[in-house]
Amino acid sequence: QVQLQEPGPRLVKPSETLSLTCTVSGGSISSYYWTWIRQPPGKGLEWIGCVSTTGSTIYNPSLKSRVTVSLETSKNQFSLEVTSVTSADTALYYCARGRHWFDPWGQGTLVTVSS
Amino acid sequence: SALTQPASVSGSPGQSITISCTGTSSDVGGYHYVSWYQQHPGKAPKLMIYDVDNRPSGVSSRFSGSKSGNTASLSISGLQAEDEADYYCNSYASSRTVVFGGGTKLTVL
Repeated sequence: QVQLQEPGPRLVKPSETLSLTCTVSGGSISSYYWTWIRQPPGKGLEWIGCVSTTGSTIYNPSLKSRVTVSLETSKNQFSLEVTSVTSADTALYYCARGRHWFDPWGQGTLVTVSS
Repeated sequence: SALTQPASVSGSPGQSITISCTGTSSDVGGYHYVSWYQQHPGKAPKLMIYDVDNRPSGVSSRFSGSKSGNTASLSISGLQAEDEADYYCNSYASSRTVVFGGGTKLTVL
């Protein structure tokens, strides 16, 4: 079955750019929407944005100016970039398959923003 | 804005509980696109219900979903110790985005 794999924990300095890649195995990325969701420590889930198989994107309005989600079809991967990060961006970042319901999920990557 | 869920609910083994998820006509009330997730500590969320009342393969029939107006609900019957977890709802919204609830901690007494 389809599995999503995320990288290990990341430490990013304030004002820098956070970059994550999710690798899809067991199925083609050329179907479905692909989504990023984050969860600050001890808090709830926040939808970040998604990319379709055509490369079209939709973002959370609260993050839209700083976020890019892209598809790398040849590598069966999709990526997230968040620019100008602050401590408020410290969270567990999940990749997931789907447009308005999500299954499966990656295991999550802890991103810590600190100097 | 985030969907509204109770911060916590509890029940004894064997009992039934219901978790509510309240939104607006621009999200929960406007679409048949509400889903529910179970999250155990240190684990990724797991899809339990999609499109209001559909159960993915492998999810126990003790879990069911429904919706009335702007409020969706997740019901769990025959409560078991393993059901103790955090539960999140989400809905498609009119802005083509997705919004999550704040989460509900279920305690099995």
